[in-house]
Amino acid sequence: GENVEQHPSTLSVQEGDSAVIKCTYSDSASNYFPWYKQELGKRPQLIIDIRSNVGEKKDQRIAVTLNKTAKHFSLHITETQPEDSAVYFCAARGPTDSWGKLQFGAGTQVVVTP
Amino acid sequence: DVKVTQSSRYLVKRTGEKVFLECVQDMDHENMFWYRQDPGLGLRLIYFSYDVKMKEKGDIPEGYSVSREKKERFSLILESASTNQTSMYLCASRLAGWSYEQYFGPGTRLTVT
Repeated sequence: GENVEQHPSTLSVQEGDSAVIKCTYSDSASNYFPWYKQELGKRPQLIIDIRSNVGEKKDQRIAVTLNKTAKHFSLHITETQPEDSAVYFCAARGPTDSWGKLQFGAGTQVVVTP
Repeated sequence: DVKVTQSSRYLVKRTGEKVFLECVQDMDHENMFWYRQDPGLGLRLIYFSYDVKMKEKGDIPEGYSVSREKKERFSLILESASTNQTSMYLCASRLAGWSYEQYFGPGTRLTVT
């Protein structure tokens, strides 16, 4: 099955700086890559996703890039704000994963300091 | 708005007890999932259900079972709770089709003593 590795496990950034989280996946045929954000004490929520036929996707201050050759995808947050502090999870859907099953990374704790 | 609810936010049980965690979604989603969340390990899939009475094992099914008698409700059962099952349990649901977005419940923090 699919295996997803996520780095770094913790990331501390100054407010206004950029943050980048990287994930690698094992199955070259995986075709869907979402990012979930979990604020302290709250449920994970989808913030952005990308499919394998697209190389980059942006939504205001966040963007995701996909490198299929290298089998990695990254979340970019620009102009970070205190409300960006959260745990971020990447995930991948393998080609044989039935019913929308996702394989999640271990998570990255992002701390934005004023 | 999709709403996924879980029966308890916090639960304390003793070793050997049978534990039921309930999840209910109100958006007629076909697929439902149970995850376990532990620091440094991310979200690990325990079981999922793709329709009523249908279920499949996830990555860590040992010590757990599930039940889905109605479309809106998905139960996770710990047959005989053990201390290594102390964790945060998250339920999620998904509408079958083009979108793979999963909607999560608020989680149940289970402590087994």
